[in-house]
Amino acid sequence: EPEVTQTPSHQVTQMGQEVILRCVPISNHLYFYWYRQILGQKVEFLVSFYNNEISEKSEIFDDQFSVERPDGSNFTLKIRSTKLEDSAMYFCASSEEQLVSHEQFFGPGTRLTVL
Amino acid sequence: AQKITQTQPGMFVQEKEAVTLDCTYDTSDPSYGLFWYKQPSSGEMIFLIYQGSYDQQNATEGRYSLNFQKARKSANLVISASQLGDSAMYFCAMRENSGGYQKVTFGTGTKLQVIP
Repeated sequence: EPEVTQTPSHQVTQMGQEVILRCVPISNHLYFYWYRQILGQKVEFLVSFYNNEISEKSEIFDDQFSVERPDGSNFTLKIRSTKLEDSAMYFCASSEEQLVSHEQFFGPGTRLTVL
Repeated sequence: AQKITQTQPGMFVQEKEAVTLDCTYDTSDPSYGLFWYKQPSSGEMIFLIYQGSYDQQNATEGRYSLNFQKARKSANLVISASQLGDSAMYFCAMRENSGGYQKVTFGTGTKLQVIP
């Protein structure tokens, strides 16, 4: 069964460093998303991406964040200068359609630890 | 106001018993979708079940069923015949038309522990 993959599974970085989290969505999916989950809290929407453009972003997704689809398969989230409060699990998701009934398939997550 | 409310931070259930996890939602959109996801201790998000706002029947997927009461804006998850492997966090979530179906809004989750 096709699945969303994410690398790395765990990233440790120093405050102020740039990190790139990578995702490979399901191959025929057109809509891509990033979510984050701070430890013990609920999952929060960050950004959605379609047709090589951001289609929606939350207030969390400030100028420190950027997303890119550098080739036909990868979808990346870059955090320019990490802060301690960026420590969280980051989930990538993809969906085939933008219809309400279409589930978003989530990847296994990347746990980011900022020291 | 919270879009998705899960009032049970933690639940215990005896193995082989049924359990209901509560979820209420808030939306003014006539078209929306409700989802339940399971998050085991390993961290991944596993889709369990979906209910559309226009669906007449309650959704069922194996041991999972969704008790959808539209007028009360509730979408409770029922797990029948609980198994030890059901111990996990469970999140209720919603997609709305006003959001362009772009994002899924999650509740705070319920931690379910199945006791042998």
